[in-house]
Amino acid sequence: NAGVTQTPKFQVLKTGQSMTLQCAQDMNHNSMYWYRQDPGMGLRLIYYSASEGTTDKGEVPNGYNVSRLNKREFSLRLESAAPSQTSVYFCASSEVRASRSYNEQFFGPGTRLTVL
Amino acid sequence: GNSVTQMEGPVTLSEEAFLTINCTYTATGYPSLFWYVQYPGEGLQLLLKATKADDKGSNKGFEATYRKETTSFHLEKGSVQVSDSAVYFCALSYRNKLVFGAGTILRVKS
Repeated sequence: NAGVTQTPKFQVLKTGQSMTLQCAQDMNHNSMYWYRQDPGMGLRLIYYSASEGTTDKGEVPNGYNVSRLNKREFSLRLESAAPSQTSVYFCASSEVRASRSYNEQFFGPGTRLTVL
Repeated sequence: GNSVTQMEGPVTLSEEAFLTINCTYTATGYPSLFWYVQYPGEGLQLLLKATKADDKGSNKGFEATYRKETTSFHLEKGSVQVSDSAVYFCALSYRNKLVFGAGTILRVKS
């Protein structure tokens, strides 16, 4: 049981290049999330997917696109990378149930992205 | 809107010292509150949670009490260890999404 996995772990891009960050979970969770972590700002939600086939914008969606490929996989794409997108990116998943008062999120190990 | 404010770090303590990391929140309604911990080079892990007012969350010697009257959820530990060195995030849950504080770096010296 690997939990949440992310690839790659590190990436260096030049301004204007594109790339896709991959995320997969093996816990059969319905909801998945992409965050970015910047110094002094905590984690900020980029996009999330409440269930397979749906995606919604979070707090900082500009410059990103996402795809919920199936229940397991949720990818994040940078179409034209900018230096402001230098950050650590975390994927998370959760089994969201209306009957629960909280739904724990499980995080992957992160992707450290540098845009030059 | 919903927001979380944590004390700035880094917090540097000697082993066996008492730890407090302050956290206050602003929220619509009555959110669930969480502390997550991030060890060096890793993702975040849930440390403890509280889902309603006056609940106390606890785990691994850490505790936090959900105080609605002061909108606070301060993290405490009676005796820290070097292995507790990490970044600690306070968070609230709103519509199944998490809102995080900025994080507090804790360094424990032997």
